[in-house]
Amino acid sequence: EDQVTQSPEALRLQEGESSSLNCSYTVSGLRGLFWYRQDPGKGPEFLFTLYSAGEEKEKERLKATLTKKESFLHITAPKPEDSATYLCAVQVRGSQGNLIFGKGTKLSVKP
Amino acid sequence: EPEVTQTPSHQVTQMGQEVILRCVPISNHLYFYWYRQILGQKVEFLVSFYNNEISEKSEIFDDQFSVERPDGSNFTLKIRSTKLEDSAMYFCASRARQGAFMNTEAFFGQGTRLTVV
Repeated sequence: EDQVTQSPEALRLQEGESSSLNCSYTVSGLRGLFWYRQDPGKGPEFLFTLYSAGEEKEKERLKATLTKKESFLHITAPKPEDSATYLCAVQVRGSQGNLIFGKGTKLSVKP
Repeated sequence: EPEVTQTPSHQVTQMGQEVILRCVPISNHLYFYWYRQILGQKVEFLVSFYNNEISEKSEIFDDQFSVERPDGSNFTLKIRSTKLEDSAMYFCASRARQGAFMNTEAFFGQGTRLTVV
């Protein structure tokens, strides 16, 4: 069964304290791995797409990496406005573009 | 910036009533999706729609659910006879294309919070 597991469930950081979020996946064939940010009561907001092991993408304080079994979202010197739930999702080869989501990591950054 | 628009933002309905959730996808997108998120749980796929027909659906998407693209811009999700367990946030998403080896990202709307009482 295709599965996505994210850890930790929740992460509390001080402003400026860098850390990483993990997304491990078990799929029959990976078409793409996606990172989204979700604020309370809002829809997922697209951050990154990764397609193959070794690929990296960066945007401001965020950097996403991909291996054959997992992806990491590295947050460098986070600010309070980075507080949100970060969702990882995979698209399986042969599907029609639908995404399998993990439960997410709720990040809180305190000033 | 183009965005996916959903209406209403919040809907309260009596158990057994029919509801229609509406979405306007991004205009040049070809693939449309509905997802739901029960409070505190993960986002779950319901159905995908392409070329005016359902291309894939999950086990959740049973006979109580239907989708339609009535006029080339709106994309709707209908729940015929709502149950208490249908209470959730429903998200519409759209995607530009699906190439042979690469995919574009899906863009999500802000959701409709459905409360069944």
